[in-house]
Amino acid sequence: QVQLQQWGAGLLRPSETLSLTCIVSGGSLSDSYWSWIRQPSGKGLEWLGDINHSGNANYNPSLKSRVTISVDTSKNQFSLKLNFVTAADTAVYYCVRNFGEWGQGTLVTVSS
Amino acid sequence: QTVVTQEPSLTVSPGGTVTLTCASSTGPVTSNYYAHWFQQKPGQAPRPLIHSTSNKQSWTPARFSGSLLGGKAALTLSGVQPEDEADYYCLLFSGGAWVFGGGTRVTVL
Repeated sequence: QVQLQQWGAGLLRPSETLSLTCIVSGGSLSDSYWSWIRQPSGKGLEWLGDINHSGNANYNPSLKSRVTISVDTSKNQFSLKLNFVTAADTAVYYCVRNFGEWGQGTLVTVSS
Repeated sequence: QTVVTQEPSLTVSPGGTVTLTCASSTGPVTSNYYAHWFQQKPGQAPRPLIHSTSNKQSWTPARFSGSLLGGKAALTLSGVQPEDEADYYCLLFSGGAWVFGGGTRVTVL
């Protein structure tokens, strides 16, 4: 069974870059789409974007200018970068495979 | 950008039936929207229930079913159990992007 383990910095200052990585075990990056989804405390879910093993990425239009998702097939992992963060980017971030398997979530807080 | 709309809250009695809907601002939801449904309980990650409109995950109880209803995606809970009290989110593919609905809080009372 595919498992996703994610990590990254949990506390950022405004204007910094959020960087998270998700390593996939129990399967390869092929034949799936790998997404990043976030959820501010007490609020709903937001899809940030996804990528396949070939590196073809799709992004949420509202965040497209700040988001980059990349894949490293040699390490069986994919990553999220979100530039110029503000307090509005404070949320739990999840890495997800085909919306079926989810990482444990990472709380990212943006505060000065 | 597409806006996806769900009922903010619904209340159902134990053993009853409730239908949650998911509408798109772009028009009627069809199978091409590949509707997904997720259940989320407090402090937990979302749990996938339904994908591609009506296909259940291996762990999805039989009382949950997905369909298209009146131009919307729908999630029906039949024979509701107390443990079904949760937030439910739909997800649609529209305009080349995935968009979540705002979620429906289901109260079992």
